[in-house]
Amino acid sequence: GEDVEQSLFLSVREGDSSVINCTYTDSSSTYLYWYKQEPGAGLQLLTYIFSNMDMKQDQRLTVLLNKKDKHLSLRIADTQTGDSAIYFCAESISGGYQKVTFGTGTKLQVIP
Amino acid sequence: SAVISQKPSRDICQRGTSLTIQCQVDSQVTMMFWYRQQPGQSLTLIATANQGSEATYESGFVIDKFPISRPNLTFSTLTVSNLSPEDSSIYLCSTTGGYTFMNTEAFFGQGTRLTVV
Repeated sequence: GEDVEQSLFLSVREGDSSVINCTYTDSSSTYLYWYKQEPGAGLQLLTYIFSNMDMKQDQRLTVLLNKKDKHLSLRIADTQTGDSAIYFCAESISGGYQKVTFGTGTKLQVIP
Repeated sequence: SAVISQKPSRDICQRGTSLTIQCQVDSQVTMMFWYRQQPGQSLTLIATANQGSEATYESGFVIDKFPISRPNLTFSTLTVSNLSPEDSSIYLCSTTGGYTFMNTEAFFGQGTRLTVV
């Protein structure tokens, strides 16, 4: 079965880089996602990476995928207080069913 | 991409009543999904809704408690029945977009925050 795990909490200083890590178990994952959830808000898709890619960069965000180790990371450069939120890693299993399995979420706290 | 409108955004309901949540997508999509996010928890899939067929429920979720409708390719409803305080959660609608079985990115509505008193 699918299982996606993340560390629960990360604290960084404003201006530093944040790295949020995720491990998953299903090697048939096609899309791997990073979602952001601010307090009282819904899910915002930040970025995603297709499983045949190793890296994707989008402005301050860099996603690294190590398929061999089933490890996904999200790096946020120049972290700002507005980045404080819960970040969910998620995977979409290939095939017609297409359900998304979410990680436990990492709460990022940015200290001014 | 797919834009999902979900309503209500929040509600406070009495125990024993029901709440129906609506989800509208701005394009035709094959599959729609309903998730629950309990306080401080991650998202758990409740069921998958295909147009023209009965919803497929995940383990631990049953149709009597969470009836789902999918009358067309752009709309779905989730009803949470016989409410108890344990049903207090955020409920989210999602689609992976498109009118094919090609895997695509997943999109979410803003969620419905339900509080049962």
